[in-house]
Amino acid sequence: ETGVTQSPTHLIKTRGQQVTLRCSSQSGHNTVSWYQQALGQGPQFIFQYYREEENGRGNFPPRFSGLQFPNYSSELNVNALELDDSALYLCASSKDRVGSGELFFGEGSRLTVL
Amino acid sequence: GESVGLHLPTLSVQEGDNSIINCAYSNSASDYFIWYKQESGKGPQFIIDIRSNMDKRQGQRVTVLLNKTVKHLSLQIAATQPGDSAVYFCAEILTGGGNKLTFGTGTQLKVEL
Repeated sequence: ETGVTQSPTHLIKTRGQQVTLRCSSQSGHNTVSWYQQALGQGPQFIFQYYREEENGRGNFPPRFSGLQFPNYSSELNVNALELDDSALYLCASSKDRVGSGELFFGEGSRLTVL
Repeated sequence: GESVGLHLPTLSVQEGDNSIINCAYSNSASDYFIWYKQESGKGPQFIIDIRSNMDKRQGQRVTVLLNKTVKHLSLQIAATQPGDSAVYFCAEILTGGGNKLTFGTGTQLKVEL
């Protein structure tokens, strides 16, 4: 068991709505990354948070935003949902922000946009 | 843009045989490579990693080989078991790229009894 928990596990939204996804990192981990995984594809990096600040961002528009809290848990917010936002959203935590690559992933939040 | 890619989308092997999953990468600035296993309905699970200054690393039943000359990475699974059935992703981290992983599309491994 990885210790990274995400909620909700599944949700359905309509186009134009907003969504908030939550992640609790593994104990002792101070870095959280978010990934979007479309069906049949590899995960795509959205952004990373280290000590409550954004520390790297992938090729996603500003309507994708996030937060990290003092306990290192994190939220991913997506505004103005589009049909193409339908995907599995994965949270991963690690001890540090730099180069180990050994990220521990949660089970993901499956978002469907209608 | 530069990316990590996989040669085969699906690989079928007999139980007990060895499996080899291949991955090509194009970015010579990649410093670190990781293999992940993803079972249906679950998040990716770390299998094994290798740094760019190595050419081979072994774990329990798994070996990763890195050929920097041809920018090729492979994952070898010995004595493949039904529980190995999953999608396998290679991923890379660029030098100075923090923990930002660039994933390939994935290979579906099917183990036949």
